[in-house]
Amino acid sequence: QQQVKQSPQSLIVQKGGIPIINCAYENTAFDYFPWYQQFPGKGPALLIAIRPDVSEKKEGRFTISFNKSAKQFSLHIMDSQPGDSATYFCAAPNRDDKIIFGKGTRLHILP
Amino acid sequence: DGGITQSPKYLFRKEGQNVTLSCEQNLNHDAMYWYRQDPGQGLRLIYYSQIVNDFQKGDIAEGYSVSREKKESFPLTVTSAQKNPTAFYLCASSRVNEQFFGPGTRLTVL
Repeated sequence: QQQVKQSPQSLIVQKGGIPIINCAYENTAFDYFPWYQQFPGKGPALLIAIRPDVSEKKEGRFTISFNKSAKQFSLHIMDSQPGDSATYFCAAPNRDDKIIFGKGTRLHILP
Repeated sequence: DGGITQSPKYLFRKEGQNVTLSCEQNLNHDAMYWYRQDPGQGLRLIYYSQIVNDFQKGDIAEGYSVSREKKESFPLTVTSAQKNPTAFYLCASSRVNEQFFGPGTRLTVL
């Protein structure tokens, strides 16, 4: 099965720091790379997504960097806040309507 | 408001019982999904359905069953054959590449 490998598993950053979460994929046919954010006890929600025809996308304090040749993409959170503490999942949709998720990164922002 | 609803929010089951988790969406999406999430773990696909009256097994379908009689509804039954059912269950529907998740049902086996 095609995989999306996510790292690190957990991350602790001081308020104002820039946490970076990385994902690597195998299938070069993937053409859409979303990130989901999940707060404890809630369902995940789409945070930001990128297509492989661009190398970077910004939405507010969240940025995706995409490296097509390395088959990697990463999430950066600028000026991180305690409210950003959550679990983050990278993902890639497969052809059969399934989405392949990374195993998640538990992010904790210290006040 | 458009969205996905799951009920109940918390569910307790005795060993040997079947229980059914409800999932309803009013987003008019064709595809719906059930995931299981264990503490500190990612999302594991149980079943998915791309169209009414059709569904496919995911990665961990054993001990679970589903039906898709209506576009807006995709209930999940956790059967007594599922040996370790305590988990957080998430239902989702999708539009093109984006999945929309419900709030989840936390199932605990007593």
